[in-house]
Amino acid sequence: EVQLVESGGGLVQPGGSLRLSCAASGFTFSSHWMHWVRQAPGKGLVWVSRLNTDGTRTTYADSVEGRFTISRDNAKNTLYLQMSSLRADDTAVYYCARDALESRSFDLWGRGTLVTVSS
Amino acid sequence: DIQMTQSPSSLSASVGDRVTITCRASQYISIYVNWYQQKPGKAPNLLIYAASSLQSGVPSRFSGGGSGTDFTLTVDSLQPDDFAAYYCQQTYSTPWTFGPGTKVEIK
Repeated sequence: EVQLVESGGGLVQPGGSLRLSCAASGFTFSSHWMHWVRQAPGKGLVWVSRLNTDGTRTTYADSVEGRFTISRDNAKNTLYLQMSSLRADDTAVYYCARDALESRSFDLWGRGTLVTVSS
Repeated sequence: DIQMTQSPSSLSASVGDRVTITCRASQYISIYVNWYQQKPGKAPNLLIYAASSLQSGVPSRFSGGGSGTDFTLTVDSLQPDDFAAYYCQQTYSTPWTFGPGTKVEIK
């Protein structure tokens, strides 16, 4: 089955760190750019970061630049998001999403993992 | 950053109605607009890419149009399964921004 499954979310204190994982299956993971998108409770979608196929090119939203690091392990078919210096406004469901080949759209999404930043 | 606006922010419609949602970009973005549907508690689902191309598996009652700065998503003959939130997204330049969403509710 073609799918993405996120894990690693949870409750963390302000200033803390967390690493999210996104396990891919059913497709050639190494052929696709990958993204993280987040959604605060009751709010809209916000693009967070993207990574190219071999993990050498990263792009971040200004709101997370310098605090979050996106990476991937193509041998394990897994995407990561290392988050540090977490703030209350980072509280959200974090989705990983697959970049469709040639169309610059997100054609496959995971179910998401909830990150709550609170003391 | 390119700002995306959507109108209306919400609408009430009946099964069988034709519904059109508008998305406007703050600057020229060619045809680099995608549309997603999201139901409560679920991940978004791609409906339309490159402004007017229907994603595989998406019903043909969904259609998209526009170019430059103004875009539309139209649902012909709204079905019960279509009551959801809809988001446009620009992928012309990073950061790849989303519109604030349009919630389609049952009248």
